[in-house]
Amino acid sequence: NAGVMQNPRHLVRRRGQEARLRCSPMKGHSHVYWYRQLPEEGLKFMVYLQKENIIDESGMPKERFSAEFPKEGPSILRIQQVVRGDSAAYFCASSPGLAGGPDEQFFGPGTRLTVL
Amino acid sequence: AQSVAQPEDQVNVAEGNPLTVKCTYSVSGNPYLFWYVQYPNRGLQFLLKYITGDNLVKGSYGFEAEFNKSQTSFHLKKPSALVSDSALYFCAVSKDSGAGSYQLTFGKGTKLSVIP
Repeated sequence: NAGVMQNPRHLVRRRGQEARLRCSPMKGHSHVYWYRQLPEEGLKFMVYLQKENIIDESGMPKERFSAEFPKEGPSILRIQQVVRGDSAAYFCASSPGLAGGPDEQFFGPGTRLTVL
Repeated sequence: AQSVAQPEDQVNVAEGNPLTVKCTYSVSGNPYLFWYVQYPNRGLQFLLKYITGDNLVKGSYGFEAEFNKSQTSFHLKKPSALVSDSALYFCAVSKDSGAGSYQLTFGKGTKLSVIP
């Protein structure tokens, strides 16, 4: 059973370009969380999605950031017009979505975004 | 709002000695508590969680943690440290923020170094 997959592992963009980060959850998992880890800091929650629905985007910046989790295919975190402050490691986590409480979240290896 | 504090940026311990990594939390209602470990350039790996029940939780790789409600703490422990335990450890708290979103709020992490 493959784990959570993220690609690319490393992404370099110039200021003003777009960054697209992909996350394929573990088989059987329908819930996806995105987190951002800035240098020397812990992970910060960004958005929580279920298939075709954004459930909680309270951690997403108001502009330039968007996320989706289509019925088919991976979840996508999209950053438009990137700035240097967007440089960070972006982690995706998936969970099976069991009822009655929090599941263990399984993390991918992350995408390290560098904005030049 | 929920928060997690890891008061030590770094913990050094000799191989074979017991180790403790400290964590305190703040959350309204019942907390769900987690420990994750991160190796260099890797995603987070789940170690253990406290949802309800026994205050002493046993997890992967010989780690355990004790939930102390009166002190709002969830310290990570291991009786005998291994050099391979050297990594970055994150404590996290979760609660249902609505619509079933159990987003994790992480501490800043504690770097554990086990000295041969």
